[in-house]
Amino acid sequence: EAGVTQFPSHSVIEKGQTVTLRCDPISGHDNLYWYRRVMGKEIKFLLHFVKESKQDESGMPNNRFLAERTGGTYSTLKVQPAELEDSGVYFCASSPFLGGETQYFGPGTRLLVL
Amino acid sequence: QKEVEQDPGPLSVPEGAIVSLNCTYSNSAFQYFMWYRQYSRKGPELLMYTYSSGNKEDGRFTAQVDKSSKYISLFIRDSQPSDSATYLCAMSLDNYGQNFVFGPGTRLSVLP
Repeated sequence: EAGVTQFPSHSVIEKGQTVTLRCDPISGHDNLYWYRRVMGKEIKFLLHFVKESKQDESGMPNNRFLAERTGGTYSTLKVQPAELEDSGVYFCASSPFLGGETQYFGPGTRLLVL
Repeated sequence: QKEVEQDPGPLSVPEGAIVSLNCTYSNSAFQYFMWYRQYSRKGPELLMYTYSSGNKEDGRFTAQVDKSSKYISLFIRDSQPSDSATYLCAMSLDNYGQNFVFGPGTRLSVLP
């Protein structure tokens, strides 16, 4: 069974540009989470989808971040315009049920904003 | 004070040693406790998951939770070079991913 995949693995952009990150969850997983880890900090929750609906987006830092999950399959996270402090690793995780023990993480997208 | 504290390491041990990794936390309401292993350039992988206090064992890994001291531990017996990774603790009030609070991780190197 394929795991959670994320694309791209790395992205280097200039401040002010737009970047779109993609996450493909494990097939059949209704729950999809985005997290990020900025340099030297802990992993922090960004938002949670159940199928195509945003269940909780309390962790989104500001309105420069927009997440979508069309059709309840893959998800995208767009940062527009990117700022220096957005640099970090963005992780996606999926789970078939609510519950930490069933959550599987992707390898992450490393974003560097110059 | 951070909600979850974890010594970042790096921690270097010889192969075969017993490794002790620890986290302390400030929120006494946490009920769910997790340990993740993260290899370089990979995502976190759930190792151990416990609810409330007590011990849980899985192969060479033992997780302990001491809620009275607000302290959790992960022990690795007979450590192997393949155990070299960053170990993250995480905890939550209610087992919902959006409420997980992660520690910063401890980098472990097991030397052959």
